[in-house]
Amino acid sequence: GENVEQHPSTLSVQEGDSAVIKCTYSDSASNYFPWYKQELGKRPQLIIDIRSNVGEKKDQRIAVTLNKTAKHFSLHITETQPEDSAVYFCAASKTGNQFYFGTGTSLTVIP
Amino acid sequence: EADIYQTPRYLVIGTGKKITLECSQTMGHDKMYWYQQDPGMELHLIHYSYGVNSTEKGDLSSESTVSRIRTEHFPLTLESARPSHTSQYLCASSPFTVNTEAFFGQGTRLTVV
Repeated sequence: GENVEQHPSTLSVQEGDSAVIKCTYSDSASNYFPWYKQELGKRPQLIIDIRSNVGEKKDQRIAVTLNKTAKHFSLHITETQPEDSAVYFCAASKTGNQFYFGTGTSLTVIP
Repeated sequence: EADIYQTPRYLVIGTGKKITLECSQTMGHDKMYWYQQDPGMELHLIHYSYGVNSTEKGDLSSESTVSRIRTEHFPLTLESARPSHTSQYLCASSPFTVNTEAFFGQGTRLTVV
């Protein structure tokens, strides 16, 4: 099956700085890569996703890049704000199959 | 409003009791999942289903069972609760054929005393 690794497990940045979270996957057939944000006591919610036919996707301060050859994808958050503090999970899946999640990154934005 | 609903939100129960965690979705999704998650920690897949009468065990060994008699309903049952079952249980759903996100319920926080 698929194996998704996520780094770092914890990340602290100063407000206004950028944060980068990286994930690797093992199954070259995976073709969908969502990122979830989970605030304390709340459910995980999708913040951005990317499909394998695209190399980069951006939504305001959040961007995701995908390198299919190297089988890794990354989340980039620019101009971080205190409300970005949360646990972030990457995931990989292929059509019709289950989602495989990374181990999570706890991001703290220091005001 | 289309959503995924879990009940109860919180449950404290004694060791040895049988419990069922409810999960229902009004999104018309075929696939449903149960994850176990300690606060802020990794999501462990314990069961999943691709449709009615389809159930599979996930990667995490679990003493729970599930059923999928109706598309919208995917309950999780623990026959005999133990303190080691204390955790948060998240239900999720997604469409089958289209690569799109999984939607999560609010979760059930279970404490076994």
